[in-house]
Amino acid sequence: GAGVSQSPRYKVAKRGQDVALRCDPISGHVSLFWYQQALGQGPEFLTYFQNEAQLDKSGLPSDRFFAERPEGSVSTLKIQRTQQEDSAVYLCASSLASGELGSPLHFGNGTRLTVT
Amino acid sequence: KQEVTQIPAALSVPEGENLVLNCSFTDSAIYNLQWFRQDPGKGLTSLLLIQSSQREQTSGRLNASLDKSSGRSTLYIAASQPGDSATYLCAVRDTGFQKLVFGTGTRLLVSP
Repeated sequence: GAGVSQSPRYKVAKRGQDVALRCDPISGHVSLFWYQQALGQGPEFLTYFQNEAQLDKSGLPSDRFFAERPEGSVSTLKIQRTQQEDSAVYLCASSLASGELGSPLHFGNGTRLTVT
Repeated sequence: KQEVTQIPAALSVPEGENLVLNCSFTDSAIYNLQWFRQDPGKGLTSLLLIQSSQREQTSGRLNASLDKSSGRSTLYIAASQPGDSATYLCAVRDTGFQKLVFGTGTRLLVSP
């Protein structure tokens, strides 16, 4: 079956522009996560959804970052007034359940954002 | 605050060797620990997930162990192959949280 799909694959933005990154999770997956991965680093948590509810946004670095999942499936990460430090790979991941057993996460290939 | 460290940062071995990758974490109150593989320009592929009540998990040539009390996990790769070349990431999920905290990874190169 299809995995987690992210688009666009690459995005170049001029500083100050707004960008929107899309994530299509695996069908039926309840949990959805966004992570930011800087070059040579491990991913860092941004935000978490359980269905359409955003239950944890503690990792969003500033109020320029906004994420939504209005119907509990597709999610969009929006970055307003992009800055050079926003350049990174943005990874989306989904899992089947949010509950007790901690289902494995399935990651998309990411969106590489370059802010010039 | 949970911190995850992976040693070594990079490792180069000839094909056929057995090898061990190390992961340590500062807060032992974890819910589970997961090992991932990341190929260049790709997302992460889950290799093994160990629940906090478990001591190890095995999948093919891979074996991961967990010593929660000492804050350590190891990933053992038997009979390494060039196709094993990738970055290996360790991540922990703390009890009461959904998010994963990742280490910075070990870059593995297996030469033919």
